[in-house]
Amino acid sequence: EAGVVQSPRYKIIEKKQPVAFWCNPISGHNTLYWYRQNLGQGPELLIRYENEEAVDDSQLPKDRFSAERLKGVDSTLKIQPAELGDSAVYLCASSSHGLAGALTDTQYFGPGTRLTVL
Amino acid sequence: SQQGEEDPQALSIQEGENATMNCSYKTSINNLQWYRQNSGRGLVHLILIRSNEREKHSGRLRVTLDTSKKSSSLLITASRAADTASYFCATDVNTGRRALTFGSGTRLQVQP
Repeated sequence: EAGVVQSPRYKIIEKKQPVAFWCNPISGHNTLYWYRQNLGQGPELLIRYENEEAVDDSQLPKDRFSAERLKGVDSTLKIQPAELGDSAVYLCASSSHGLAGALTDTQYFGPGTRLTVL
Repeated sequence: SQQGEEDPQALSIQEGENATMNCSYKTSINNLQWYRQNSGRGLVHLILIRSNEREKHSGRLRVTLDTSKKSSSLLITASRAADTASYFCATDVNTGRRALTFGSGTRLQVQP
């Protein structure tokens, strides 16, 4: 079974430029998460999708960040314009619903996109 | 904000020794999970322990949970050089958000 796929793996841009990250979750996983991980820290949730609906985006800086999951499968996270402080690893994760629609608890992570803003 | 905090921040041991990492958290939880992250890689799920469980085993891993103290420990027995990684605890907080809140991790170095 293929895992969570993310691209690109690395991205270097200058500040004020736009950037986009792509994620394809594990097949059949309804729930998709975007996390940001700063150097030496644990990941922090940016947004969670249930199918195509963003059900938790309270931590997403909406002035410059946007995300979409149009068909409820793959997702794109965008930053426009990027700032120096956005340098981090952006992780995508997915999980599935178990029996009777209950959300299972294990999240499966992709390898991440390491963003460097110069 | 970080819900869980791991202790120690860094740990260096010899191959064959046991490694113990601790995690403390602040609010009530549905479950607590431990993840491993190798340098430059994504996180790998190791083990999940629910709030009504006290101990769980998986291979060389042993996890305990004390909800009265809001703490958990991860024990890796007979460590190997391949266990070198960062280890994170993550809590599924009892708010229905279904999002994990991670600590800042313990960096484990196993010397061959």
